[in-house]
Amino acid sequence: EVQLVESGGVVVQPGGSLRLSCAASGFTFDDYTMHWVRQAPGKGLEWVSLISWDGVSTYYADSVKGRFTISRDNSKNSLYLQMNSLRTEDTALYYCAKDLVGASYYFDYWGQGTLVTVSS
Amino acid sequence: EIVMTQSPATLSVSPGERATLSCRASQSVSSNLAWYQQKPGQAPRLLIYSASTRATGIPARFSGSGSGTEFTLTISSLQSEDFAIYYCQQYNNWPPRFGQGTKLEIK
Repeated sequence: EVQLVESGGVVVQPGGSLRLSCAASGFTFDDYTMHWVRQAPGKGLEWVSLISWDGVSTYYADSVKGRFTISRDNSKNSLYLQMNSLRTEDTALYYCAKDLVGASYYFDYWGQGTLVTVSS
Repeated sequence: EIVMTQSPATLSVSPGERATLSCRASQSVSSNLAWYQQKPGQAPRLLIYSASTRATGIPARFSGSGSGTEFTLTISSLQSEDFAIYYCQQYNNWPPRFGQGTKLEIK
């Protein structure tokens, strides 16, 4: 059974930093591109970032480019999101999601999310 | 950037009836479109990808159609567990984008 479990979400002040983690199990982690997708409270879904299976290629939404860094450790079946220079508009539930196949940008498994609140 | 517009914002349908949800792209996305279902307090669930392919384990009452700029998600006979928010999502043009969602509620 595929499982994705996010952690690391807390309340942080504007300008602060945070690192999210996602522990994966139930599939061959290093075969798949992985993503972060976020959802502001009561709002819709916004794709944030992706990392290729080997960690070589990374992409970001314009809204987070230059502030967030995605990474992975295939030896630990883990995905990460380093978030710097946080803004109030970054407040959201952050999901890690597995790509369906290759880099299809279809998300076939999601974690339950970890809540990041940026507030003074 | 492509804008995805879903309609209606809220759809009220009785159990057992058919529901038809629409998604329009501001420019062609070919068939690079997915549909997700999200229930309160849960993560989204992939229903349909490539406009019309059901994801693993998705019941046959869910079907997707369309290409280019106009897409439809049809639920042929609504079950109680189908009342949720549905999102479409394109990936044909950068960046991948979701629609704002359609809330399917019990009539």
